[in-house]
Amino acid sequence: QQPVQSPQAVILREGEDAVINCSSSKALYSVHWYRQKHGEAPVFLMILLKGGEQKGHDKISASFNEKKQQSSLYLTASQLSYSGTYFCGTANNYGQNFVFGPGTRLSVLP
Amino acid sequence: SAVISQKPSRDICQRGTSLTIQCQVDSQVTMMFWYRQQPGQSLTLIATANQGSEATYESGFVIDKFPISRPNLTFSTLTVSNMSPEDSSIYLCSVEGQGASYEQYFGPGTRLTVT
Repeated sequence: QQPVQSPQAVILREGEDAVINCSSSKALYSVHWYRQKHGEAPVFLMILLKGGEQKGHDKISASFNEKKQQSSLYLTASQLSYSGTYFCGTANNYGQNFVFGPGTRLSVLP
Repeated sequence: SAVISQKPSRDICQRGTSLTIQCQVDSQVTMMFWYRQQPGQSLTLIATANQGSEATYESGFVIDKFPISRPNLTFSTLTVSNMSPEDSSIYLCSVEGQGASYEQYFGPGTRLTVT
C-alpha cells in the first residue's frame, strides 16, 4: 500500500527550511528517501531502519518514528540545488513489499 | 554505489510492436528491479528480476506483456510487448546497494513514446 506524503508541493526561498512527511498505514521496516530532478533518475538520499533512528547528510536529515509508522525529511537552509521531487519509499518484512510514495515537489527560489 | 546504463535512452514506436530495453550494471548484483514512471507521477514497480529464476511481477503486470530476462548478474532486459499508447512512459531499472540496507540505485531511464 502506497505511503502518503505531505505536503504535495512546497515553494521556498533560498535559506529557508522545509519538512516533508511520509506516513504509512502498515508497520514499516525501513523508509527510504530519494530526490529526482526533472528529466533525471531518482537519487538515493538516505535510508532509515526500524529502531527509530535519525540520520543526517549535510543539511538534510530525517527521522523515523516506528510506532507512528511515519518519517520526516528535514531540509535546512535550503539551496537552489535542493529543488526537485522528493519520494519516500517504504518497506516491511525486512525490505520486502517496497513501494514509493506519490512525491513532494520542492521548488527553491533565489 | 553502482553505475547503471540503459539502452535505448528513448524511442518512438508504433502500436502493436515490441521494444526491448537493456540494463547493464558495472558490478554483480543479486536483484534488479524494473519500474515505470509516467510524467509527473511516482514510480511503479513492474517486476523484480533475480538471476537464475523467473521474475516476480507486481499486481497489474504480467509476463506476457512485460517479459524479462536476467541471463547473468550484471544484465537484464525488459520487453514491452504489443505496445499501445498507454505504454508511453519512462522505464527505469534499478539495483540494490551492497549490504543489508536495501537502498536502490537507478539507471537513467528509457523514455518510450507509442504512437
